[in-house]
Amino acid sequence: DADVTQTPRNRITKTGKRIMLECSQTKGHDRMYWYRQDPGLGLRLIYYSFDVKDINKGEISDGYSVSRQAQAKFSLSLESAIPNQTALYFCATSDSGGTNQPQHFGDGTRLSIL
Amino acid sequence: AQSVTQLDSHVSVSEGTPVLLRCNYSSSYSPSLFWYVQHPNKGLQLLLKYTSAATLVKGINGFEAEFKKSETSFHLTKPSAHMSDAAEYFCVVTFKGFQKLVFGTGTRLLVSP
Repeated sequence: DADVTQTPRNRITKTGKRIMLECSQTKGHDRMYWYRQDPGLGLRLIYYSFDVKDINKGEISDGYSVSRQAQAKFSLSLESAIPNQTALYFCATSDSGGTNQPQHFGDGTRLSIL
Repeated sequence: AQSVTQLDSHVSVSEGTPVLLRCNYSSSYSPSLFWYVQHPNKGLQLLLKYTSAATLVKGINGFEAEFKKSETSFHLTKPSAHMSDAAEYFCVVTFKGFQKLVFGTGTRLLVSP
């Protein structure tokens, strides 16, 4: 089983719909992250959480919200989806041992907004 | 500001020839540096990391990278490419106290028979 699991893997929806992407992990890590990937832009950080009571905005948080339901679960919501939110979304986790800890990624959710 | 630049968006090699993927960073602080690989429809997998120990870092699948502070570079190399190396590669930087990773825009490695 994957250590970092994202659901769904693919989603097609319409403009204005509310969407939730879910992430769960079995690595026991405190830190969790949501990124989006666009061609030619690399990965950009949307939100991150260093523990259950800690939520922080990343560089592109507008139009998104998150919920850290438990140490192992971190969900990303698009309250009213728009076409420029079409992208590949990744969840990642890391240990809390400092900024040199590598991040461990899920396989991604491909989201298309029509 | 902290940033990372991958100098090539695409690199094409023949199977069995050396691979060089270039990465430069800018920072006023001592960095931690990573290389990740992404295969189609998969998440990013850690290849190797540099965290101020040995400047030559060995990773998985025969890859290695050398940290050169004077050149602010962390180029990824492999002596002999394999078809399975075809993927996208990301150079990633973080800095003490920065709490976040900064990703390069990626280099797509193409390997021909």
